[in-house]
Amino acid sequence: EAGVAQSPRYKIIEKRQSVAFWCNPISGHATLYWYQQILGQGPKLLIQFQNNGVVDDSQLPKDRFSAERLKGVDSTLKIQPAKLEDSAVYLCASSTPRDKLYEQYFGPGTRLTVT
Amino acid sequence: QQPVQSPQAVILREGEDAVINCSSSKALYSVHWYRQKHGEAPVFLMILLKGGEQKGHEKISASFNEKKQQSSLYLTASQLSYSGTYFCGTTSGTYKYIFGTGTRLKVLA
Repeated sequence: EAGVAQSPRYKIIEKRQSVAFWCNPISGHATLYWYQQILGQGPKLLIQFQNNGVVDDSQLPKDRFSAERLKGVDSTLKIQPAKLEDSAVYLCASSTPRDKLYEQYFGPGTRLTVT
Repeated sequence: QQPVQSPQAVILREGEDAVINCSSSKALYSVHWYRQKHGEAPVFLMILLKGGEQKGHEKISASFNEKKQQSSLYLTASQLSYSGTYFCGTTSGTYKYIFGTGTRLKVLA
């Protein structure tokens, strides 16, 4: 079974530029998550999708971050404009609600550096 | 609201045991445990549901005290491969996921 795919793996941009990350979840997984992980901290949930609908985006900075999941499969996360504090690893995860367990499978992440 | 883990860091010798705790200020529906190695994504280890259902992984087990809103991860006879940062992930009925503060574990030969 193929895992969660993410691209790019690394990205360096200047502040005020825009950037987009792509995620392809495990086939059949209805739930998709985007996390931000700052060095030395645990992952922070930015947005959770169930199919192509948003379940939770309470911690997404909506003035600069946006995410979409067209057709309930792939997803993109965009930052526009980027700030220095956005430097982090952006993790995508997917899960399927088997017995309400929501075991999550993570992709390799995209390391973003904003200079 | 972020679950607090203790200890923050621990160093072990191969073969020693360790306990990592996760405490929440909210009533929990489920607790998940993950291990993250440096530069890699978190890997699922274990899940515990309210009511006591759990899964195991290698020589790692866990408990879930619903009344105290706590979970503990037990690593027995630790191996070098156990090194990494351990996170608990919690849900509170709405399935909103919150990760804990993390515990760095280093196993020495």
